[in-house]
Amino acid sequence: QAVVTQEPSLTVSPGGTLTLTCGSSTGAVTSGHYPYWFQQKPGQAPKTLIYDTSNKHSWTPARFSGSLLRGKAALTLSGAQPEDEAEYYCLLSYSGALWVFGGGTKLTVL
Amino acid sequence: QVQLVESGGGVVQPGGSLRLSCAASGFTFSSYGMHWVRQAPGKGLEWVAFIRFDGSYEYYADSVKGRFTISRDNSKNTLYLQMNSLRAEDTAVYYCVRPPFDYWGQGTLVTVSS
Repeated sequence: QAVVTQEPSLTVSPGGTLTLTCGSSTGAVTSGHYPYWFQQKPGQAPKTLIYDTSNKHSWTPARFSGSLLRGKAALTLSGAQPEDEAEYYCLLSYSGALWVFGGGTKLTVL
Repeated sequence: QVQLVESGGGVVQPGGSLRLSCAASGFTFSSYGMHWVRQAPGKGLEWVAFIRFDGSYEYYADSVKGRFTISRDNSKNTLYLQMNSLRAEDTAVYYCVRPPFDYWGQGTLVTVSS
């Protein structure tokens, strides 16, 4: 089974910009993996931010964007807010028959 | 509005069985495939299983293949997860999720312990 990798932890200053990445043990991440990004705060169910690489839901703050970057899926946060402190998970689809989450990135806004 | 309400969690001994249910409302359940996702205490998310909208295909994570069965009753707008041969490592909050992973239930806790 494929392994999906994320940075374990990252720190950003309020108002700052950073990029979280999501890689696959099977090779380059492509649009065919339909990358998803989720935000989860303690005690809450995950909330989807991005689907199909770069599509946003109506509830996704404009400061979040998704892309493919050097063979990985990427989530960019531009203008970090204190409320963005959370765990972030990516999810990749493999041939529409297997879905694998990354281990998560703990984001600190400090 | 879309609602997914899981039930059926609880404490079960290793080797035991449990059936989870997820009652769906606010959308045309029979038009959507559905997922189960779990999260062990203090750990990350793990995809568990998927069933197509008509129940014609099921897919499972290797960790549960042969022990868990996903099913659905479109007449009752309900998704199920039958869990057999439960192990301590199956202890988790189990979520039902509508594709494209946009709506999640509140989760139901399964604890496997003697």
